Amino acid sequence: QKEVEQNSGPLSVPEGAIASLNCTYSDRVSQSFFWYRQYSGKSPELIMSIYSNGDKEDGRFTAQLNKASQYVSLLIRDSQPSDSATYLCAVNNPSTGFQKLVFGTGTRLLVSP
Amino acid sequence: DADVTQTPRNRITKTGKRIMLECSQTKGHDRMYWYRQDPGLGLQLIYYSFDVKDINKGEISDGYSVSRQAQAKFSLSLESAIPNQTALYFCATSDSTGLAASTDTQYFGPGTRLTVL
Repeated sequence: QKEVEQNSGPLSVPEGAIASLNCTYSDRVSQSFFWYRQYSGKSPELIMSIYSNGDKEDGRFTAQLNKASQYVSLLIRDSQPSDSATYLCAVNNPSTGFQKLVFGTGTRLLVSP
Repeated sequence: DADVTQTPRNRITKTGKRIMLECSQTKGHDRMYWYRQDPGLGLQLIYYSFDVKDINKGEISDGYSVSRQAQAKFSLSLESAIPNQTALYFCATSDSTGLAASTDTQYFGPGTRLTVL
């Protein structure tokens, strides 16, 4: 089992719709969770971080964390074509002895006009 | 100006050559990381450094070495490049001295696209 799993996609949504991206992780002691956006050939850009169960909203983005079920999700409201990118989920792994981030392989999102 | 810079941005080299990728940061962060990214494999940690005197191997350190010349500079070397080291390489930084909840947030440089022929 991979430490961090994401559906590779592509996830296709029409402009204006809600895009829902999901991520599951295997290490129950993980404490910090991140969503990065990566355009093709570019570097990952931090979108959201979440540390507590529940929802965290920032503009059109909402991160949701459920530690009991070991999943974290990202909702993008009013999706725009400029949101088309690969979204990477990252989880810290304190059991390795330091604050190491483990990345999923990413979900590709396509927003059509 | 970018907080994390990488040079070169693109590099084509031949098998057996020694090359160095450089990373500099003005964020004042103490921790620095090198990752490689291959299509479909996500980001893999090569080396990380908590400070100038602390360097550690990551998941895929074979064939690579690093040097932390200063808090702001972290270089990655390929002693003898091979074609399967063709990838995107990213440097990242994080700050261990900030709020506890944010100490593992990593910020990435623009990347170096390396091609080994």
